Formats: sequence, structure tokens, C-alpha cells
Amino acid sequence: AQSVTQPDIHITVSEGASLELRCNYSYGATPYLFWYVQSPGQGLQLLLKYFSGDTLVQGIKGFEAEFKRSQSSFNLRKPSVHWSDAAEYFCAVGFSGGYQKVTFGIGTKLQVIP
Amino acid sequence: NAGVTQTPKFQVLKTGQSMTLQCAQDMNHEYMSWYRQDPGMGLRLIHYSVGAGITDQGEVPNGYNVSRSTTEDFPLRLLSAAPSQTSVYFCASSYISEYGYTFGSGTRLTVV
Repeated sequence: AQSVTQPDIHITVSEGASLELRCNYSYGATPYLFWYVQSPGQGLQLLLKYFSGDTLVQGIKGFEAEFKRSQSSFNLRKPSVHWSDAAEYFCAVGFSGGYQKVTFGIGTKLQVIP
Repeated sequence: NAGVTQTPKFQVLKTGQSMTLQCAQDMNHEYMSWYRQDPGMGLRLIHYSVGAGITDQGEVPNGYNVSRSTTEDFPLRLLSAAPSQTSVYFCASSYISEYGYTFGSGTRLTVV
């Protein structure tokens, strides 16, 4: 069965600093990978996705993520964090073949300090 | 605004009561899903649908029922509410799974 691990439950960064959120997955074939962001009291918003092609994908709000097959990872990065990036971030994995039963990680809560 | 609409936003139920959480989308998406979100557990799939008249169970289906009579609507029914069903419920839809989901804003349910 597929699984997703987000090893960091909570991360604090200073505004303007770089950010990397880790995500590892367990699945036999090439997965479909997603990052979502959730602001307090809101639903999840898709930041970016990977399912084929270039392993470095660009998303909204200045985020990017890199798929590394050898490490089974799909880490999310941003070069300079803004206070408005404070939120919870979820990595998710699905597999091909009709409907995807997408599996979500437990999330990483990002705190941004001045 | 196009998107996924969930109602109600908040609900308190007594143990044993039943209710229906509503979900509607206006993007003509075939795929729709219900998730529950609990602290420290991420999102867990309850039920999903790949089109009108077609539904299937997800990871945690017990105590919940769904139907899909139209492309737009995908209601979730709690048959006999239990405190363990206290959670935040999200409905999501997608055109093609690989494109990712559009989520509703959620329903916060408390069962006392």
C-alpha cells in the first residue's frame, strides 16, 4: 500500500529565510505527487503537482518541488518565505489507473517569525 | 464562483442522530471524494465517486453512506452519529485525478 511520510510536524522559519519541507513516499511504481496548503479554517489548495516529465516542478505562490526517484522524495522549497506562508502543508501521493485513491501525509505546520 | 460548496460549515449532533453533509461542484468534475481530517492523522478517504451512479468505499467508510445521482452533488450521510465521528469533513472534486483536487471549505462536526 502506498504511504506518505512528512517527518517534520512543525517548522519555524524567519521571514525572508529559505524553506524546505520534506516528503517521502512508499510506492512501487512512479507515483503522482502533490503538495497542498491549508490556511487556518480553510480547505486545502493545490500548490503543485508532478506526474511526469521534468522532475523540478513550479507551483503557485513561488513554491517549487523536486521529485527524486532514488530517494523516494518530493520536497517542497521556497527561496524566501513571507509571513503569509504560515499555514499547514500536506504532501499527497496517488497512483495511475482510473480514479486515484490519493493518500495524504499528516501535514507540516509552518510558523513564520519576523 | 466556480468551485466546491459544502454545507453546513458547522454542526453539533447528539449521539445517535443522523444528518447529511452536502457537497456540490459546478466544474463538471467526474471524480468526487469525501475526506475527514483529524489532528495528527492527515486526511483519510471516506468514500469516493468516479461518476454519477458510481460510488466506492475509501479507507474509513464505516458509519457513512453516499450516493451520486447527479454529476454536481455528492452528499455524505451519517447514519447514527458517534463521538468518534467528531472531525472536519472535506469534499473534493477533480476532472482528472492527476490534475489534483479542488477542495471545499469543510464542515466542522461535533458529536456530543
